Amino acid sequence: ILNVEQSPQSLHVQEGDSTNFTCSFPSSNFYALHWYRWETAKSPEALFVMTLNGDEKKKGRISATLNTKEGYSYLYIKGSQPEDSATYLCASSGGGADGLTFGKGTHLIIQP
Amino acid sequence: DAGVTQSPTHLIKTRGQQVTLRCSPKSGHDTVSWYQQALGQGPQFIFQYYEEEERQRGNFPDRFSGHQFPNYSSELNVNALLLGDSALYLCASSLPGDGYEQYFGPGTRLTVT
Repeated sequence: ILNVEQSPQSLHVQEGDSTNFTCSFPSSNFYALHWYRWETAKSPEALFVMTLNGDEKKKGRISATLNTKEGYSYLYIKGSQPEDSATYLCASSGGGADGLTFGKGTHLIIQP
Repeated sequence: DAGVTQSPTHLIKTRGQQVTLRCSPKSGHDTVSWYQQALGQGPQFIFQYYEEEERQRGNFPDRFSGHQFPNYSSELNVNALLLGDSALYLCASSLPGDGYEQYFGPGTRLTVT
């Protein structure tokens, strides 16, 4: 994998259901994996920064896991709510001072 | 505590013109990065400024230049604008040692006609 790839590109989920999506990234020269939540007309909001293989982080109903050996991360949302509707971006960095390499995002729509 | 701010919000320019975008980092942050998000793409890294110098650069031509001031605010300059420069330009600030978590501003929407 040369680039950061996210799937699916978009997702419609019923309110109350749980969902997850994937970020794949180059496992070589890896430093950190970042997840952002981006609502329309707002700033991207940092959710998680993960660096260690096997890392799991949680913020309320949202959690993320990291596998640096195979180069993927999952983001999970439990009991989706309408306010979870947003684009979720993941990005990897190859070093502490490196710029972030972003995927194209997963556009999540929660249907009442 | 003000987050990252950017100005202007929107801008319309003509091909061949020059543009300057501005960014004020989050209080206490000393590192500023700029990203370009074209339609349908993820943000792409342009460059990063630290201690008033360009520390790292992405794959962007020399038409894209920047500056960082002693108060850590930053400018992005684009010369000889092309239609393809139309995009959302995001600024992010960070503090080395903080896991390099980058805090983003809302962006400047540039339209080149």
